[in-house]
Amino acid sequence: KAGVTQTPRYLIKTRGQQVTLSCSPISGHRSVSWYQQTPGQGLQFLFEYFSETQRNKGNFPGRFSGRQFSNSRSEMNVSTLELGDSALYLCASSNTVGQGAFEQYFGPGTRLTVT
Amino acid sequence: DQQVKQNSPSLSVQEGRISILNCDYTNSMFDYFLWYKKYPAEGPTFLISISSIKDKNEDGRFTVFLNKSAKHLSLHIVPSQPGDSAVYFCAAARGSTLGRLYFGRGTQLTVWP
Repeated sequence: KAGVTQTPRYLIKTRGQQVTLSCSPISGHRSVSWYQQTPGQGLQFLFEYFSETQRNKGNFPGRFSGRQFSNSRSEMNVSTLELGDSALYLCASSNTVGQGAFEQYFGPGTRLTVT
Repeated sequence: DQQVKQNSPSLSVQEGRISILNCDYTNSMFDYFLWYKKYPAEGPTFLISISSIKDKNEDGRFTVFLNKSAKHLSLHIVPSQPGDSAVYFCAAARGSTLGRLYFGRGTQLTVWP
């Protein structure tokens, strides 16, 4: 099976702009989770989507939003970018059923730089 | 509030020896624990996991031990190889919030020849 893919891999944006990141999960996985990784905060959970519904949400401001499509592909959007949004954004997919329900499989990430 | 903690930011081990990476957690509601390995410029790779009803799980060179009373888990790598050099993350999950993992800050493992 193909792994989790994320596009684009690298992105440079200016403060105040908005950005959309895309994630395609492993085939058959219906849950997609998003994380932000920064040197200071480590891996922080943003939100999780399952069957096109946001099921879990972390402690991020409303500028961070997401959605999931019927084919389980997901996008996250960050509006009004701030310098502090510079980070590696990771997407992970999981099966959420059976023995491996908790196991998440990560994509390579999108490196966002805000200038 | 960091519910999963990895107190050692780095560990250096000679090739062939055992690597022991440690992790502590504060939330007794966690049902499942996982270890991930991460190389620079890549996403984390799932290594091994353990359910809270077990105290040990083994997969090849990797063994995870769970001590629920101490809220502590460890990952043993035997024997260590230079290719194991990476950042290792401990993560925890709750059954009530499937899809959300709580991560530690990671431990940089360096295996030298």
